[in-house]
Amino acid sequence: QTVVTQEPSLTVSPGGTVTLTCASSTGAVTSGHYPNWFQQKPGQPPRALIYYTNNRHSWTPARFSGSLLGGKAALTLSGVQPEDEAEYYCLLYDGGARVFGGGTKLTVL
Amino acid sequence: QVQLQESGPGLVKASETLSLTCTVSGGSISSYYWSWIRQSPGKGLEWIGHTYNSGSTNYNPSLKSRVTISVDTSKNQFSLKLNSVTAADTAVYYCARGAVFDFWGQGTLVTVSS
Repeated sequence: QTVVTQEPSLTVSPGGTVTLTCASSTGAVTSGHYPNWFQQKPGQPPRALIYYTNNRHSWTPARFSGSLLGGKAALTLSGVQPEDEAEYYCLLYDGGARVFGGGTKLTVL
Repeated sequence: QVQLQESGPGLVKASETLSLTCTVSGGSISSYYWSWIRQSPGKGLEWIGHTYNSGSTNYNPSLKSRVTISVDTSKNQFSLKLNSVTAADTAVYYCARGAVFDFWGQGTLVTVSS
């Protein structure tokens, strides 16, 4: 089964920019993996942020952007706010199945 | 606004079957993918499977032998059954809508007891 790997943790200063990545054990991530990104805060269900590589949901702030970068899916946060401190998960399509990454704990400090 | 609500027993005995239902309000269940996802305490998200086209399914290969997801369009609900549970199946179970998981339930904690 495909394993999806994310950075376990990252730290960013308020107002800064940070990029989270999402890699597949099967090779380069492409648009055909339909990357999705989610944000989860403690005690809450995940919230969808980005779908199909780079599409924001209607509620997703413009400071969140998705892309493909160096064979990985990427989520970039520009102008980070304190409320962006959370766990972030990517999800890739793997044929008919879906696979979540292990998550990145983002600290805003 | 679409809302999803998980329901079912919060405690299941080891070796028995975990059964949960997700009730969808504010929209029809007759379209979209409908998924189950779980999260073990302090761990990450795990996709369990989904149903679509009023009955087609795909499952996580690691759970496939124990999982059944079904839909009841008359009640606007879909369900999860996971058999032969062990302590490793203790988790918060979420239901979610769509190919892009745009709406989620609040989740329900299921504990497997020995």
